[in-house]
Amino acid sequence: GEDVEQSLFLSVREGDSSVINCTYTDSSSTYLYWYKQEPGAGLQLLTYIFSNMDMKQDQRLTVLLNKKDKHLSLRIADTQTGDSAIYFCAESSNTGTASKLTFGTGTRLQVTL
Amino acid sequence: DTGVSQDPRHKITKRGQNVTFRCDPISEHNRLYWYRQTLGQGPEFLTYFQNEAQLEKSRLLSDRFSAERPKGSFSTLEIQRTEQGDSAMYLCASSQGGLAYEQYFGPGTRLTVT
Repeated sequence: GEDVEQSLFLSVREGDSSVINCTYTDSSSTYLYWYKQEPGAGLQLLTYIFSNMDMKQDQRLTVLLNKKDKHLSLRIADTQTGDSAIYFCAESSNTGTASKLTFGTGTRLQVTL
Repeated sequence: DTGVSQDPRHKITKRGQNVTFRCDPISEHNRLYWYRQTLGQGPEFLTYFQNEAQLEKSRLLSDRFSAERPKGSFSTLEIQRTEQGDSAMYLCASSQGGLAYEQYFGPGTRLTVT
């Protein structure tokens, strides 16, 4: 079955870059996503990448995809205290019609002054 | 566009009671998903609707769980005879048919079973 793995915790200083990593097992993954969750809140879609791309940039966010190694990363440039949250990697493969998402366990990003 | 809304935001119930949650998707989104998130974990897929049709159910969705989307707009998730293991955040997401890969989540309903 599908499996998505992430490291549990990352601490960075304000102004530095953050890099959050993710590995997945499903070779039929169509889209790969990054979601952000703040305490007590739902999930906010940050960005996603189609599996035939290897990079996507959106303002301070850069997503890199290594499909051969099934490795996805999210780089946040100039990290701010407001970026402190849990970041979830997710993948979807269009099995049937669902496009259901399979999530990792999340990486808690702590931004220090 | 007011986003996905869920009601209630918090629910405390005693073991054995029935509970029902409601989700209102973004208007014109024809796909609706339910996920469950336990503490320290990522969300897990429960079920999915396209319009009013329930097209997929996870094996996590036991016989005590039932979901409906009668008019293809809002959806309800009912849990009968709640158990302590049902304590979790229940998240609803919606997406538009042509952009099914963009799932937008609501704030969730946190269920505590005592």
